[in-house]
Amino acid sequence: QLQLQESGPGLVKPSETLSLTCTVSGDSIGSRSYFWGWIRQPPGKGLEWIGSFHYSGITYYNPSLKSRVIISVDTSKNQFSLKMSSVTAADTAVYYCARPIDDHNLISFDYWGQGTLVTVSS
Amino acid sequence: QSALTQPRSVSGSPGQSVTISCTKTSSDVRGFTYVSWYQQYPGKAPKLMIYDVSKRPSGVPDRFSGSKSGNTASLTISGLQAEDEADYYCCSYAGSFVLFGGGTKLTVL
Repeated sequence: QLQLQESGPGLVKPSETLSLTCTVSGDSIGSRSYFWGWIRQPPGKGLEWIGSFHYSGITYYNPSLKSRVIISVDTSKNQFSLKMSSVTAADTAVYYCARPIDDHNLISFDYWGQGTLVTVSS
Repeated sequence: QSALTQPRSVSGSPGQSVTISCTKTSSDVRGFTYVSWYQQYPGKAPKLMIYDVSKRPSGVPDRFSGSKSGNTASLTISGLQAEDEADYYCCSYAGSFVLFGGGTKLTVL
């Protein structure tokens, strides 16, 4: 059974870098042509796609966040990571990692982590 | 700039059918070929209910169905049940990136 688990600091100071890791169990990140994704949800608001990546290095980012976001992968640890620089209070959100239902699909995530709340505050 | 517009809220009584719309507002609707729908309960991760406009993942009741006409996609829930009360989000492509709709709160009366 595939499981995803987000981890990282729950509190980040303004202007600093948010760093999260998604640990995958029950499947190998490099086993198929999935585009693993990061999605976030500010408290009381809707979902926002941050970006998706393929283990080969192909990466897509939300244009509104692209200048501040890097998604990377460590296949040896079966993990992928999110780094978001220069954070502000507007980046306070629950951050989810997810895997889509089939290959080459960026919008149909059928496996999700439980989500982790990141608060940006001094 | 593309956007996916959903009604803020819809409601229905048990046993009835409700439809949630998702309209892509853009001068270019060519990318509105693929649409997914998610259900989300408070404090929980979203759950995929529909993908590729009308396909249901394994385990999703056939009370949930999806369709699309032009630049508007729809999620229909028939035989409404109390457990269907949740937030619903549509999702599609906008060029090479991903858009979510603003979400619709479904209330079962």
